[in-house]
Amino acid sequence: AQRVTQPEKLLSVFKGAPVELKCNYSYSGSPELFWYVQYSRQRLQLLLRHISRESIKGFTADLNKGETSFHLKKPFAQEEDSAMYYCALYSGNTPLVFGKGTRLSVIA
Amino acid sequence: EAGVAQSPRYKIIEKRQSVAFWCNPISGHATLYWYQQILGQGPKLLIQFQNNGVVDDSQLPKDRFSAERLKGVDSTLKIQPAKLEDSAVYLCASSAKGGSTEAFFGQGTRLTVV
Repeated sequence: AQRVTQPEKLLSVFKGAPVELKCNYSYSGSPELFWYVQYSRQRLQLLLRHISRESIKGFTADLNKGETSFHLKKPFAQEEDSAMYYCALYSGNTPLVFGKGTRLSVIA
Repeated sequence: EAGVAQSPRYKIIEKRQSVAFWCNPISGHATLYWYQQILGQGPKLLIQFQNNGVVDDSQLPKDRFSAERLKGVDSTLKIQPAKLEDSAVYLCASSAKGGSTEAFFGQGTRLTVV
C-alpha cells in the first residue's frame, strides 16, 4: 500500500537559515508527489507538485526515485514560512495519501 | 473564485448522538472529497465522489458514517451514532477532474465528541 512518511513532527530553524523538510514514500510504481501547506488559521492549500518543477515562495522539491524521497527545500527561511507542511502522494489508483505533517517554526 | 464552503465550523456533541456536515464545492468541480484529520495526523480520505457517484469509500466506516452528493454539487457527511474517537477535523475538498489535479480545501469542521 502507498505510504508517505514525514519523520519530523517539528522543525525549528532561524530566519535566514536553510530549510529541508523530509518526505519519504513507499510505492512501487511512478507516483506523483505534492507538498501542501497550512498557514495559521488558513485552509490547506497546494504549495507545489513535482511534475511542475517550479519554485514556489522560494521552495523547491526534487523527486528522487532511487531514495523514494521528495524533500522540500528553501535556502533562506522567512518568518512567514512558519506553517504545517504535508507531503502527499497520488498513484493513479487511489486518491491523495497524506503524511502526518511537519510543523515548521522559523525563529526571528 | 469562491472557495470550498463548509458548515458548521465547530460542533460539540455527546457520544451516541448524530451529526451532519455540509460542503459546497467550487462551482464546476466534478470531484469532491471528504477527509478526516485527527489531531497530530495528516488528512485521511473517507470518501471521494465524481459528480454524484462514489469513486472510493474504502476507508469510510459504513456502520456509522454515510455521505451523499445529490445532484453532483453539495455534499453532506453524517455520523450516526458518534463515538469519542470520531473527534477530528472533517475537511471537504474539490478538484476539477480528480486524479492528480489540485485539490482545494475548505476550512473544515472541528467535531468534538464528549
